Amino acid sequence: AQTVTQSQPEMSVQEAETVTLSCTYDTSESDYYLFWYKQPPSRQMILVIRQEAYKQQNATENRFSVNFQKAAKSFSLKISDSQLGDAAMYFCACSMYSGGGADGLTFGKGTHLIIQP
Amino acid sequence: KAGVTQTPRYLIKTRGQQVTLSCSPISGHRSVSWYQQTPGQGLQFLFEYFSETQRNKGNFPGRFSGRQFSNSRSEMNVSTLELGDSALYLCASSLARTGGLDNEQFFGPGTRLTVL
Repeated sequence: AQTVTQSQPEMSVQEAETVTLSCTYDTSESDYYLFWYKQPPSRQMILVIRQEAYKQQNATENRFSVNFQKAAKSFSLKISDSQLGDAAMYFCACSMYSGGGADGLTFGKGTHLIIQP
Repeated sequence: KAGVTQTPRYLIKTRGQQVTLSCSPISGHRSVSWYQQTPGQGLQFLFEYFSETQRNKGNFPGRFSGRQFSNSRSEMNVSTLELGDSALYLCASSLARTGGLDNEQFFGPGTRLTVL
């Protein structure tokens, strides 16, 4: 079974600064996808960024970027120029495909991101 | 394009009852997955339906079941409710099977189930 670990239950950052959220995963599969989801107080899960494991180039989406280290099975999220609207729970997730199908998304426990004004 | 919708948004039931939750995926999406979110266990995968067939199932007892209709709408049923079933139930849809190239999942707002 695959696992996703987020070692930081809570992080705090000053508005306009940069913060990095950590995520490690464990899988024996070679084909998989990694995601960061944001869940604000409204509870609506929103996809922030995704990374295909076969792509070496790190994904970026505006102020959000990832540092994907495949050998280390690490997938951290960097948020630049933090804004008050970034405050939310952030979940790292993995979708692993083993040819016969996938097992759905496996989520980490989440990191609560606080933005200090 | 309308997003994923879930009904009802809130539900209160008592132990022993059964409940049915509904999910309407984004138009054109054929895969629907269900997740349970609790403070203790976090987000856990329940099952995935694609083309009216259950394709994958998470580690949940048989009291949790579901189905998908020809229009891709999905329902999830929990029988003989227990206190521990209190949770936010999230539905997500995607164009193709989870794990495929078009596997980005779009989540609905969830159904908050409280079991008394």
